[in-house]
Formats: sequence, C-alpha cells, structure tokens
Amino acid sequence: KNEVEQSPQNLTAQEGEFITINCSYSVGISALHWLQQHPGGGIVSLFMLSSGKKKHGRLIATINIQEKHSSLHITASHPRDSAVYICAVRFVNQFYFGTGTSLTVIP
Amino acid sequence: DTAVSQTPKYLVTQMGNDKSIKCEQNLGHDTMYWYKQDSKKFLKIMFSYNNKELIINETVPNRFSPKSPDKAHLNLHINSLELGDSAVYFCASSHASGNTIYFGEGSWLTVV
Repeated sequence: KNEVEQSPQNLTAQEGEFITINCSYSVGISALHWLQQHPGGGIVSLFMLSSGKKKHGRLIATINIQEKHSSLHITASHPRDSAVYICAVRFVNQFYFGTGTSLTVIP
Repeated sequence: DTAVSQTPKYLVTQMGNDKSIKCEQNLGHDTMYWYKQDSKKFLKIMFSYNNKELIINETVPNRFSPKSPDKAHLNLHINSLELGDSAVYFCASSHASGNTIYFGEGSWLTVV
C-alpha cells in the first residue's frame, strides 16, 4: 500500500471547467507538495503546504492536517493545464509520491 | 541558471551496454536523490545521498551504481542495460532537514 493515494488517476475536462484532484496520505508529514509534469517535460513544484490554503493564479491548494488530505483545484481550466499532477509528502528524511493524476483539458 | 541539471536528456542504447547519467545541483543542498519514473508516472526512489554518503538504497539491481564525488554531484551508472531499464530517471535535491525538493529535467532512457 502506498503512503500517498491520489484520485482520480485520469481526468478529462472541457475547457473552462472547475477541476479537483485529491490526495490522501497515511503518515505524519512536515510538508506536502503538488507537482506538475507536462508531457515530455520535467517536474516542477506548484505548491508546498504545511497548513491551510495557497493560491497562485487559477490554482488553489488546500490541506487538512487532521484528516490527512489535500486537494488541488484548477478554476477555469485551459488546455495548457493538461499535465500529470503528482502529490508528494515529506516524512522524516524521505519524500513519498502519489501515483499521479493525468489531466487532459479539451478545447 | 538551472538549479538541478542532468545529462543526457535523451539516451537510446543497446542492451548490454553500460551508460551513465550525470546530475549536478547548484543550490547548496546536502541531499540528492535518484528516482525512476515508470510508464504510469509513478516516482520510485532508487538512491539518496546525504553529504556524499548513501542513506537510502532501495531494492534496485546492483547493475545500478550511484557515485557522488562531492555533495553537488550524484551520477548514476548502469551496467549491462536491459530492456526493462527503459524509463525516465529524475535526479532531485533538497536540504536534509528541509521540506523543498527540486527536480532535474529528467533523462529519457530507451534500451533497444
């Protein structure tokens, strides 16, 4: 069993739709990352959270430490948001990764 | 300036060959990692080095050997390449006690 579970695994949305990707984890963490990987591209960190909520443009990330759950929301989705989104948590001296959510936004 | 750089980005090679992927970070981090990303995009830790010392060595074939000449570099050498080694390999770095991780651009390895 993976320490980090993401859902859904795959997601197709129409341009303009509101998107939510969920992440649940089973260990006590010091931080959680939402990472983005475009097709054929590298991995970049969108957010690092240890509590509450962060917003950057059309992206919003929230975390509930008590429930060990985080969500990534994309408002007014756009085809350039098509990518794999990966949840990662920092626990002790390691990073643990979710299996990723492959998002496709159709024009 | 690229924070974590790895080379080559693409590598196509025949079975049985030996190849290396290099990684360098200029962030002053003391911990570096190698991850293998499978076809389903899952990142699996292979090795982690802290100040040039191996701290994590997951179950990988001993054909894979990491080498850290200094704490800014962690190279991955692969002997006797097999078809199943085809994957994307990511180098990353962080502070040992820090929460932030930075990834390289990835190295796409194809074994034919």
